[in-house]
Amino acid sequence: GNSVTQMEGPVTLSEEAFLTINCTYTATGYPSLFWYVQYPGEGLQLLLKATKADDKGSNKGFEATYRKETTSFHLEKGSVQVSDSAVYFCALSDSRGGGNKLTFGTGTQLKVEL
Amino acid sequence: GAVVSQHPSRVICKSGTSVKIECRSLDFQATTMFWYRQFPKQSLMLMATSNEGSKATYEQGVEKDKFLINHASLTLSTLTVTSAHPEDSSFYICSARLYPADTQYFGPGTRLTVL
Repeated sequence: GNSVTQMEGPVTLSEEAFLTINCTYTATGYPSLFWYVQYPGEGLQLLLKATKADDKGSNKGFEATYRKETTSFHLEKGSVQVSDSAVYFCALSDSRGGGNKLTFGTGTQLKVEL
Repeated sequence: GAVVSQHPSRVICKSGTSVKIECRSLDFQATTMFWYRQFPKQSLMLMATSNEGSKATYEQGVEKDKFLINHASLTLSTLTVTSAHPEDSSFYICSARLYPADTQYFGPGTRLTVL
């Protein structure tokens, strides 16, 4: 079956530091890959997505590239801000937009300090 | 736009009682709603998919008689945990699909604690 593995947190960084959150997946077929973010007290929000191999999803300075050869979808940001503190979830779906069943990783908490 | 709410945000109940959690799409009609469960330090696990006006489809291993799902309108789905026990304590999250968009919008979750 499908599964997603992402690095455990919490990850604590200083403002303006470089961020990488690793995510690897196991799936049959050709899934779409997603990063969701959850801010305190709010629901998960779609951060970015990629629907096929070598696609790069990007939003709000975050980016991730769909690497089929390494089955990975690592999240990166060049310079984090305190406002980026949240929990980040990697996920996959057999639907392009994620409207069908989503398989999630465990989530990685990011804390950004001044 | 596309806001999903859940009520209550937290609930504590005694073992053996039933608890109902509501999931509402506030500004759109959702033909499909999903219910997830999250244990500490574990991923969100899909419990069931509910389509308005029809019976929910449960994932393997989820007891449909214990987790009753009703999706009676295009803006409301409810999850009732029947005869709750401490092992049912968890974080329950719903999402709603905005048709025909291929996107899920998530509620903020409900923390259930069974004593």
